[in-house]
Order: sequence, then structure tokens, then C-alpha cells
Amino acid sequence: DAGITQSPRHKVTETGTPVTLRCHQTENHRYMYWYRQDPGHGLRLIHYSYGVKDTDKGEVSDGYSVSRSKTEDFLLTLESATSSQTSVYFCAMRGGVSNEQFFGPGTRLTVL
Amino acid sequence: RKEVEQDPGPFNVPEGATVAFNCTYSNSASQSFFWYRQDCRKEPKLLMSVYSSGNEDGRFTAQLNRASQYISLLIRDSKLSDSATYLCVVNPNTGTASKLTFGTGTRLQVTL
Repeated sequence: DAGITQSPRHKVTETGTPVTLRCHQTENHRYMYWYRQDPGHGLRLIHYSYGVKDTDKGEVSDGYSVSRSKTEDFLLTLESATSSQTSVYFCAMRGGVSNEQFFGPGTRLTVL
Repeated sequence: RKEVEQDPGPFNVPEGATVAFNCTYSNSASQSFFWYRQDCRKEPKLLMSVYSSGNEDGRFTAQLNRASQYISLLIRDSKLSDSATYLCVVNPNTGTASKLTFGTGTRLQVTL
């Protein structure tokens, strides 16, 4: 189950500060994803990656950027955090016979 | 109309009961379907994929009705440990990235 990890697990920051969340996988999967989860919205895709240096936007990408310099690491950056970005962030990797996704434990981010 | 719709519940059932959850999806071209389980403050975990012919895994049975764009999950002999939120997940098949669309979840509470 520990094929995918996230750090930090909890973070409290102030409006306007930059924040970087890290996702690390040990399964050598090509596809990785960043989601946010908010009450009433379910999981929404922020960005995804289909290989090293290959990324694309999801449905809620404004205010976020990503980078993938190695297969195992996928970083999510909030350039200037806002209170609307207070959320739980999940990273996922794609694998399995049906291309299902497997999730990291999540990061709880609070922007004051 | 939401892409994936679920009854949010909560469904409160006694131990040993049978409970069914339904989900509808809007994109008729969708190819892959899943049920995920999410415990409070945890990451979503794959419960089962849903196949066209229907499939069973122990006490859990999933059905797909493509004509009605409808997916169901049946849980027999409910256990206290089944208490969780169940997410209906659809791959709308727009490209190779397997960008999943998540329902907001149905909460199940199994009681003594």
C-alpha cells in the first residue's frame, strides 16, 4: 500500500505565500495526478502528468502549477496561496488492469 | 447535469442488512467504471471495477447498465466496518490520460 506517499501531510500557511506539495511513487507508473477534495464537490483534477516533463491541466488548474523532473516525483505548487485553496490534496498514480488510480494519503492544507 | 451523480445519503442500516447504492453518469461514451471506498479523513481506495456483465467480490456486487447509464453497488450482510463513503467513478474516455470523474459519494453508516 505504501507505493505512493505525500508530504507534508498537514500544512498551515498564510495567504500570499508559496506552497509546494510533493508526491512520491515507487511503482514506476507513467501517469500521475493531483486532485483536490472539498465538501460537495468530490474529487476534482488539478493537473496530471503523462511522463517526465509532460504535464497538462485538469478542470481546476488556475492558481496551481506542477513539475515532474523524475518518474517518481510529482510536485504541486501554489505560487501565492489563497484561502480558497484550503482543501485536502490527493495525489494518484495510474496502474492496474483497468487503468484504475491509486491514491496517496493526502495533504490537508489550510490557508489563513 | 453533473457528470456523475450519486445520492449523498447517509444510508443508516443495521448490521446484516443489504444495501444498494446507485449512480448515474452523463457521458454515454464512458468506458471504465469503478467503485471506490473512502473512510473519514483517508484517501479513496479502489473497492472494485465494474464490468459490463456485472461482477461480484465476496459480499459486494457491482452492476452496469449502459443503456440507462447507471451503475449500482450492492452490499450484502453489512458489517460495521463497511461504514464509509462510497464513490462512483467513471472514465469518460476523452483521450489516453484516463482522467477519472468522481461522484461526490454516498455515505453508509452501519449500526449495531
